[in-house]
Amino acid sequence: DAKTTQPTSMDCAEGRAANLPCNHSTISGNEYVYWYRQIHSQGPQYIIHGLKNNETNEMASLIITEDRKSSTLILPHATLRDTAVYYCIVRNRDDKIIFGKGTRLHILP
Amino acid sequence: GAVVSQHPSWVICKSGTSVKIECRSLDFQATTMFWYRQFPKQSLMLMATSNEGSKATYEQGVEKDKFLINHASLTLSTLTVTSAHPEDSSFYICSAGQETQYFGPGTRLLVL
Repeated sequence: DAKTTQPTSMDCAEGRAANLPCNHSTISGNEYVYWYRQIHSQGPQYIIHGLKNNETNEMASLIITEDRKSSTLILPHATLRDTAVYYCIVRNRDDKIIFGKGTRLHILP
Repeated sequence: GAVVSQHPSWVICKSGTSVKIECRSLDFQATTMFWYRQFPKQSLMLMATSNEGSKATYEQGVEKDKFLINHASLTLSTLTVTSAHPEDSSFYICSAGQETQYFGPGTRLLVL
């Protein structure tokens, strides 16, 4: 079973920041938080991951709470191409990935 | 990030035939690859773990004799759907990676 809880769907206006929450209250000390997204009819795309520090790359920022029980993926300036299902995954780095239902993000023009 | 390819991208076959799907890691070696299946409007479901040089590990409920997995080299894993039936029609996706998993573009299978 997936170890995370995400909202089923979210809307965000184009050009605004999209903030996608994820709860992972049972995360263990050596588990990372990974984010992937799946655009329609494509394979999942890796976005970002972190252990306990906040992380930023060219795609997004990942904010992890101090107790590590929740995190937020931030897309700073959402575009229509960011419309996708976003998956928050908790895993050890060598473990298989078990997908939950994710959040369907709609970017509105 | 690392690149994972799949071939073919789509395939149509007749019921009762077998179909082979390839998954390749293009710029790294992968001792382990994973195979997933996705039905319309559903999430990805892990089918099996492909292990280079040893037998694949199948998830509960996945028939190993129907979904044959061969990890012949450090860059190639194949999934063969044997005696395919219409209910096997699905989107098949593989992943590979060392610490971060990267996913292939998927193979859409339609069994008539």
